[in-house]
Amino acid sequence: NAGVTQTPKFQVLKTGQSMTLQCAQDMNHEYMSWYRQDPGMGLRLIHYSVGAGITDQGEVPNGYNVSRSTTEDFPLRLLSAAPSQTSVYFCASRTRPTGSYEQYFGPGTRLTVT
Amino acid sequence: AQSVAQPEDQVNVAEGNPLTVKCTYSVSGNPYLFWYVQYPNRGLQFLLKYITGDNLVKGSYGFEAEFNKSQTSFHLKKPSALVSDSALYFCAVSHSGGYQKVTFGIGTKLQVIP
Repeated sequence: NAGVTQTPKFQVLKTGQSMTLQCAQDMNHEYMSWYRQDPGMGLRLIHYSVGAGITDQGEVPNGYNVSRSTTEDFPLRLLSAAPSQTSVYFCASRTRPTGSYEQYFGPGTRLTVT
Repeated sequence: AQSVAQPEDQVNVAEGNPLTVKCTYSVSGNPYLFWYVQYPNRGLQFLLKYITGDNLVKGSYGFEAEFNKSQTSFHLKKPSALVSDSALYFCAVSHSGGYQKVTFGIGTKLQVIP
């Protein structure tokens, strides 16, 4: 199993540009989520999905969109990039949305918005 | 709302000495508690979790954690630190029942000094 994969690893955007961060998992996990990691802030939940076709907002959803058309893929779209979105983004998955399952994390995407 | 506090930004310990990384939490209902480790430029990796039962849980790489319900704490411990344990450690909490969002602490940097 490849686990959770993310592309790209690094990205530089100009303010106002849009882009999609890709996330895929091959473990047939129902639950997938996106976090951003900022110094002194820990990990903050952006959006999550409890199954194909079902998504919901986390703590910091503004400026981001998600969709979940398949179990495997959970892309994160930045609609109009802002410098405040400079961060490291992690995708994670776990077996079920309920229960005590641990999460599996991708390697991250480091995004810089100038 | 649930929350996690990791009161120490950094913990320094000499190689071979015991280490403790502190975590306290707040959650409604029965907690599910997790520890994750992040090595530089990597995603988070699961170390251990508490669901119910024995207050001392054992995890990967010789780590263990002690759950204390009265103090709402879940401190991470290891009897003898290794230089390779140097990393960023995150405590996380969710709860039983319903769809569970996971809340992370801000992380504690562990530095093991040779």
